[in-house]
Amino acid sequence: EVQLLESGGGLIQPGGSLRLSCAASGFTFSTYAMNWVRQAPGKGLEWVSGISGSGGSTYYADSVKGRFTISRDNSESTLYMQMNSLGAEDTAVYYCARRWDAYSTFDYWGQGALVTVSS
Amino acid sequence: EIVMTQSPATLSVSPGDRATLSCRASQSVSNSLAWYQQKVGQAPRLLIYGASTRATGIPARFSGSGSGTEFTLTISSLQSEDFAVYYCQQYHNWPPWTFGQGTKVEIK
Repeated sequence: EVQLLESGGGLIQPGGSLRLSCAASGFTFSTYAMNWVRQAPGKGLEWVSGISGSGGSTYYADSVKGRFTISRDNSESTLYMQMNSLGAEDTAVYYCARRWDAYSTFDYWGQGALVTVSS
Repeated sequence: EIVMTQSPATLSVSPGDRATLSCRASQSVSNSLAWYQQKVGQAPRLLIYGASTRATGIPARFSGSGSGTEFTLTISSLQSEDFAVYYCQQYHNWPPWTFGQGTKVEIK
């Protein structure tokens, strides 16, 4: 059974940094691209970042480019998101999602980690 | 960036009735269109990919249609567990992957 479990969320002050993790199990992690998608309170879904299976290619939304860094450790089947210079606009539930290569859409999602940026 | 627009924002439907949700793309996405269902407090779940193919385990009452810029998700006979928010997403040109703003299906 595919499982994705996010951790590392919490309350952080504006300008601070936070690292999210997503532990994957139930599939061969290194063969799948992975993504982060966020959802601000009461709002819709926003794709944030993606990374290829090898980690050699990374992608970012303009809203986070230069502040967020996606990475992965295939030996540990874990996805990461380093978030710097956080602002109130980054407050959201952050989901990790597996990209299904056959259709480039997101077939499995974690339950999410809440990040709250507030003083 | 391809902009996805969903309508209506809210749809009030009685259990057992049909629901029809629309999604429009700002440029052609061919059939690279997915639909997701999100219930309160839960992660999104993939319903439809390739505009019309149901994902594993999705009931036959869910159907998708369309291509190019106009797409429809139809729920033929709404069950209590179908009341949720539905999002469309294009994966034709990425990055970015872009979502519509969602349609909330509520009980009438």
